[in-house]
Amino acid sequence: QVQLVQSGAEVKKPGASVKVSCKASGYTFTGYYMHWVRQAPGQGLEWMGWINPNSGGTNYAQKFQGRVTMTRDTSISTAYMELSRLRSDDTAVYYCARDSKWLRVKYYFDYWGQGTLVTVSS
Amino acid sequence: DIQMTQSPSSVSASVGDRVTITCRASQGISSWLAWYQQKPGKAPKLLIYAASSLQSGVPSRFSGSGSGTDFTLTISSLQPEDFATYYCQQANSSLGTFGPGTKVDIK
Repeated sequence: QVQLVQSGAEVKKPGASVKVSCKASGYTFTGYYMHWVRQAPGQGLEWMGWINPNSGGTNYAQKFQGRVTMTRDTSISTAYMELSRLRSDDTAVYYCARDSKWLRVKYYFDYWGQGTLVTVSS
Repeated sequence: DIQMTQSPSSVSASVGDRVTITCRASQGISSWLAWYQQKPGKAPKLLIYAASSLQSGVPSRFSGSGSGTDFTLTISSLQPEDFATYYCQQANSSLGTFGPGTKVDIK
């Protein structure tokens, strides 16, 4: 069965960076784009970007350009999202989510990780 | 950028009620729309994709319709496990923009 297991909660100071991991199992990791979505406390969902695990190509939402880096390690079927220059309004649950289409990006997310809470506080 | 709106922002309903949620895109997105259900403390769950296609394993009481700029999610007979927040998401542009959500709670 498809599973996405994310790393644990993080507490960071403003200005620091955080790197969240998402380990995939139960499917061919390189066959499906991986997206990252975040949700601030009590707020809605915000799409951050995607990575093509096959090529390593990325597409980031303009809001996060210059601060976010998405990478992957195909040897361990794991995707990563690193966000730098953290601010208090980056406090949120960060989700990885698999795109539903084989080798294409369709923005339909059929499997999600359990979420990783990142708290930014001085 | 395409903006998504939803109405109502919240709805109170009883078990067995028919519930309809509307989503509007700021420009035409053909049928490139998905609906998700999210329960507190849980990750979202894909219900509908391509505006009207039911995701595998999702009960048939959920249905979606619409194209262009106006879309609806209908729950034909609300069940206790359906009390949750529902989000639409456009999949037309290279941005996966979500709507602000509609909370369905118990009347």
